[in-house]
Amino acid sequence: SAVISQKPSRDICQRGTSLTIQCQVDSQVTMMFWYRQQPGQSLTLIATANQGSEATYESGFVIDKFPISRPNLTFSTLTVSNMSPEDSSIYLCSVEVEGRVGETQYFGPGTRLLVL
Amino acid sequence: GESVGLHLPTLSVQEGDNSIINCAYSNSASDYFIWYKQESGKGPQFIIDIRSNMDKRQGQRVTVLLNKTVKHLSLQIAATQPGDSAVYFCAVSYNTDKLIFGTGTRLQVFP
Repeated sequence: SAVISQKPSRDICQRGTSLTIQCQVDSQVTMMFWYRQQPGQSLTLIATANQGSEATYESGFVIDKFPISRPNLTFSTLTVSNMSPEDSSIYLCSVEVEGRVGETQYFGPGTRLLVL
Repeated sequence: GESVGLHLPTLSVQEGDNSIINCAYSNSASDYFIWYKQESGKGPQFIIDIRSNMDKRQGQRVTVLLNKTVKHLSLQIAATQPGDSAVYFCAVSYNTDKLIFGTGTRLQVFP
């Protein structure tokens, strides 16, 4: 498994501003992922962040809105830019770790974002 | 593509009973399946996983069953406890690192 921390744990932001969320893992991992979970909903993948390359974004998510950095094998950031109330969600990072059966994703505690 | 659904949005069980949470998936080529538990205010917690070359796998008080014929996955929790109250998600992948998550089932345990 892996121990993952996220900062901040929650924030309240004004529309039009940007917030950068940090994700730190206690071991070196190749694959890191960023998800969004809207209130009462399931998880939706935003992008895959690999060290040394550009993040790969899923349909409906663009780099200008959600820029991602992956400077090393234990850290990544996701920025939510030019926020609107529709961006109010839980943002989760995950890492892929080799398990006994397959390559499993382990999740951080999430960042709860409210945009006013 | 892949879509993942759950049969029941909410499951209420009595403490001590067994719980069964179901999940259906659409892509017959899906090869890796995971169950997560998400408690209020927390991130999803890995419970158990299974590969497509298996039909059953057991953990501590949990069993995952995979029926590839009907593309169905289930999580069984034995002797359900109040601490098992949470939302449970199945997640499925096909030959890729991406996971497709189901919509979630809320498990409520009452005394």
